Formats: sequence, C-alpha cells, structure tokens
Amino acid sequence: RKEVEQDPGPFNVPEGATVAFNCTYSNSASQSFFWYRQDCRKEPKLLMSVYSSGNEDGRFTAQLNRASQYISLLIRDSKLSDSATYLCVVKRRDDKIIFGKGTRLHILP
Amino acid sequence: NAGVTQTPKFQVLKTGQSMTLQCAQDMNHEYMSWYRQDPGMGLRLIHYSVGAGITDQGEVPNGYNVSRSTTEDFPLRLLSAAPSQTSVYFCASRFGALSSYEQYFGPGTRLTVT
Repeated sequence: RKEVEQDPGPFNVPEGATVAFNCTYSNSASQSFFWYRQDCRKEPKLLMSVYSSGNEDGRFTAQLNRASQYISLLIRDSKLSDSATYLCVVKRRDDKIIFGKGTRLHILP
Repeated sequence: NAGVTQTPKFQVLKTGQSMTLQCAQDMNHEYMSWYRQDPGMGLRLIHYSVGAGITDQGEVPNGYNVSRSTTEDFPLRLLSAAPSQTSVYFCASRFGALSSYEQYFGPGTRLTVT
C-alpha cells in the first residue's frame, strides 16, 4: 500500500460546481499536511497547509481527520482556472516529505 | 529574488552520455532536493541535502550523483544516461526543520534519453 494515496481522477466538473477529493495516508507518524497544485507542464506550488481544526482560504477548504488518516480538499464555485492536478503532501515526524500521485481536475465551461 | 532556478529547460542525450542539471536558489534555504516526475508515478525523491556539505539518498538514487558545496547550488549529475532516465526533473528547496515546510520548486528540466 502506498504511504499517500489519492484518486487519480480525472474529475470533470462543470464551472460553478463544488468538488471535493480526499487523500489517505498510512503512516500514523505523519505530522504535517499540505495540498499543492500543479498546472500542466509546470512545477508544483503550495496551495494550502492543512490544520487539525480545518482551514479555509477563499473558495478552498481543507480538512484533516487524524483518526481515519485522511485529508480532504473542497473547492466551491469552481472556476476554469482551477483545472490542474492537486497533490496531497505529508511530512513525517522524521522530516521526510511524501507526495501523493495527484488528482486531476478538469473544470468544464 | 529569482527563487529556484534550473538549467537547462530541455535536454536530449544519447545513451551513455553524462551531463549535469543545474539548480540554484537565492532564498538561503537549508534543504534542497531533486525529484523526478514520470506519468503515473508522481514525484519521486532522488537525492536531498540538509545543508552545505551534506547529501543523502532518496527513493531512486541509482544513476545519479549530487554535491552541495554551497548553500545556493545543488547540481544533479547523470553519470551514464539511460532511456529509463527520460523524465521531468524538479529541484526544490525549503527552510530547515522547525520552519515553514513549504517547498519551492524550480520550473523543471525535461530530459529525453535516446
């Protein structure tokens, strides 16, 4: 089993809709959690960190469930510019950073 | 402030050739890493460094060497290129432990080995 797993998608979602995807992690020593965004043929960039109490940044909401070992990303009122691959990233207690393979999102006009 | 820079952007090599991928950062980051990204495989760590003079192997180190003589630079050397090394290579940097863990990535080098 991979340490960080994501549904690869693609998720095809009409513009304006709400979309959510999850990421599960297997190492209970995982300490910090992040969502990165990667546009086609570009480098990954940090979208947001994920805090235990959940956090929001505009249309984006991230949640962490330590008991079930998953994190989620919710995008409201999706825009065409949200089309990208979203990478789930976990930092372990030994400071190693593990990337998921990513979930592809296509926002349809 | 250029962030993380990588050169070249594109490279084609013949099997058996060697080359060095350059990476530099101007943010005084302690940690630097090299990843390769292949379709369906996600980002895989090749080598990393926690500071000048210190390097360590990641998940897929075979066929690659690194050195870190300065804080700013972290070159990746392909010793004898093989078609299996065709990939997109990303360099990344971040501050060290107990700091923000945001990783900053360079724009990538697209390498084809024929």
